[in-house]
Amino acid sequence: GAVVSQHPSWVICKSGTSVKIECRSLDFQATTMFWYRQFPKQSLMLMATSNEGSKATYEQGVEKDKFLINHASLTLSTLTVTSAHPEDSSFYICSARGNDEGNAYEQYFGPGTRLTVT
Amino acid sequence: AQSVTQPDIHITVSEGASLELRCNYSYGATPYLFWYVQSPGQGLQLLLKYFSGDTLVQGIKGFEAEFKRSQSSFNLRKPSVHWSDAAEYFCAVGAYSGNTPLVFGKGTRLSVIA
Repeated sequence: GAVVSQHPSWVICKSGTSVKIECRSLDFQATTMFWYRQFPKQSLMLMATSNEGSKATYEQGVEKDKFLINHASLTLSTLTVTSAHPEDSSFYICSARGNDEGNAYEQYFGPGTRLTVT
Repeated sequence: AQSVTQPDIHITVSEGASLELRCNYSYGATPYLFWYVQSPGQGLQLLLKYFSGDTLVQGIKGFEAEFKRSQSSFNLRKPSVHWSDAAEYFCAVGAYSGNTPLVFGKGTRLSVIA
């Protein structure tokens, strides 16, 4: 149980275009989802926290107009990188926290999405 | 604010040797502690976690970790390392709160030599 999927697993796009990454909790409901970014050989950096039905909370330094997060349901959150540039190339990882007593302590991680902007 | 320190950026061990990866945390309340492993280009895999109870926690792949409250540590150990253990290891601390995300250490890269 507690599986989180991401789609796509990797994407290449041209500079100036937008890319949408989906994060789904497959077998549990997640009120809260988190988006992380990871640069090569570095740790995960939290970008934002999203709650179902409300606006995401962005970490300091993360441009909310560039990284649009939508958490429309208890099983789906999306991250859209708008007007992507090469410096947005990175590994993006989502994570979902369960709603139930048994899984609210943990964050379950998706497999990540590799974005390359050319 | 909570924080996690992994003092060793890179560790090299011989195959078959024992391993200990260090993790120290700073947290105001009872911490929930995790160890994850990440292979190149892959996502995170949970090795083990500590919420409460027995302070020695067993995980997958033969790993274990010991929670020491007095030292604010949660070190990861394995008695005999295999070449396939070469990867990046992350320690993380969290809380039982919906909006509080896990805080990660900077990671320790493990290399295994023959």
